[in-house]
Amino acid sequence: AQSVTQLGSHVSVSEGALVLLRCNYSSSVPPYLFWYVQYPNQGLQLLLKYTTGATLVKGINGFEAEFKKSETSFHLTKPSAHMSDAAEYFCAVSEVRFGNEKLTFGTGTRLTIIP
Amino acid sequence: EAQVTQNPRYLITVTGKKLTVTCSQNMNHEYMSWYRQDPGLGLRQIYYSMNVEVTDKGDVPEGYKVSRKEKRNFPLILESPSPNQTSLYFCASSLLAGAGNQPQHFGDGTRLSIL
Repeated sequence: AQSVTQLGSHVSVSEGALVLLRCNYSSSVPPYLFWYVQYPNQGLQLLLKYTTGATLVKGINGFEAEFKKSETSFHLTKPSAHMSDAAEYFCAVSEVRFGNEKLTFGTGTRLTIIP
Repeated sequence: EAQVTQNPRYLITVTGKKLTVTCSQNMNHEYMSWYRQDPGLGLRQIYYSMNVEVTDKGDVPEGYKVSRKEKRNFPLILESPSPNQTSLYFCASSLLAGAGNQPQHFGDGTRLSIL
């Protein structure tokens, strides 16, 4: 079974500072990896995904993530934090079995931006 | 606008009173799924559907039922709700069942409180 570990349930950064949210996964097959963001009282919105090809993927709102197979990691970064980035972030791996493309999520990281 | 719509958004009810949470998507997606979100546990899959009349259990199906009579709708039924089903519920959909590499679109969530 696949699993996802997000290190740090809460991360605080100053406005303008680097954002780094960590995600490690385990998978028996080449993974499809996703980062989703959840704003208060809203559903999950896709930030970016890795399927195949380029290991550095760019997403919306200036976020990017790098797939590192040797480290089984898919960390999310943004060079300069904005107040609007305050939200909860979920890393997920897709597992397909008998047509079920279940997403296995990490437990989430709540990002706080300090003015 | 492409979207997944859940209703109701909030519901407080009592143990044993049957309830249905509706989910509808307007993107002609094959695959639909229900997740529940609990603090510290991330999102866990309850049921999924690969197409009309094709449904199956996810990781935490106990106490829930679903149906898929039309492609666009995938209601979640709690026949006899209990307090341990108090949670935040999300419906998700994606274009093709079994692809794994495509993003899933999420509704805004339904917060259920079972007293």
